[in-house]
Amino acid sequence: QKEVEQNSGPLSVPEGAIASLNCTYSDRGSQSFFWYRQYSGKSPELIMSIYSNGDKEDGRFTAQLNKASQYVSLLIRDSQPSDSATYLCAVNRPTGGGNKLTFGTGTQLKVEL
Amino acid sequence: GAVVSQHPSWVICKSGTSVKIECRSLDFQATTMFWYRQFPKQSLMLMATSNEGSKATYEQGVEKDKFLINHASLTLSTLTVTSAHPEDSSFYICSASSGVRETQYFGPGTRLLVL
Repeated sequence: QKEVEQNSGPLSVPEGAIASLNCTYSDRGSQSFFWYRQYSGKSPELIMSIYSNGDKEDGRFTAQLNKASQYVSLLIRDSQPSDSATYLCAVNRPTGGGNKLTFGTGTQLKVEL
Repeated sequence: GAVVSQHPSWVICKSGTSVKIECRSLDFQATTMFWYRQFPKQSLMLMATSNEGSKATYEQGVEKDKFLINHASLTLSTLTVTSAHPEDSSFYICSASSGVRETQYFGPGTRLLVL
């Protein structure tokens, strides 16, 4: 089992729809969770961080965390073509990991006109 | 806030030469910096972790004598690819963390092409 799993996609949604991206992780001791966006040929940029169970909203983005089920998700409301990118889920390594993050392989999102 | 820069953004070099890449945190002190490599259409691969003033910790399979890392200050880390070969051609990305909740901020990356 991979430490952080994401569906590679591509996930295609029409413009204006809600895009739902999911991520599961294996280490129950993880405490910090992040979503990064990576455009093709560019480096990742931080979108959201979440540390507690429940929802966290920031503009059109909502991160959801469920530690009991070991999943974290990202909802993008009113999806725009500019949201088309690969979304990386990252989780801290609580055991001997210092402040390292484990990244999923990413989900490619395509927002279609 | 939390801006990380990298220099150069592009480098082309001949096989056998060494290349130095700089990573700077511009508006915060980075207790830890990370170096990643990403090949086309593949995921990020962590190469090493560096803490200011101490030796870098390399991931398994990464040659520490080939990829020299120096973290001389709380705002600067350098990666030197020694005796570069075509298979070292890749996208090298650094990230910096102030240690708050392990949040990492990425630099724009350096694309290396070894001929």
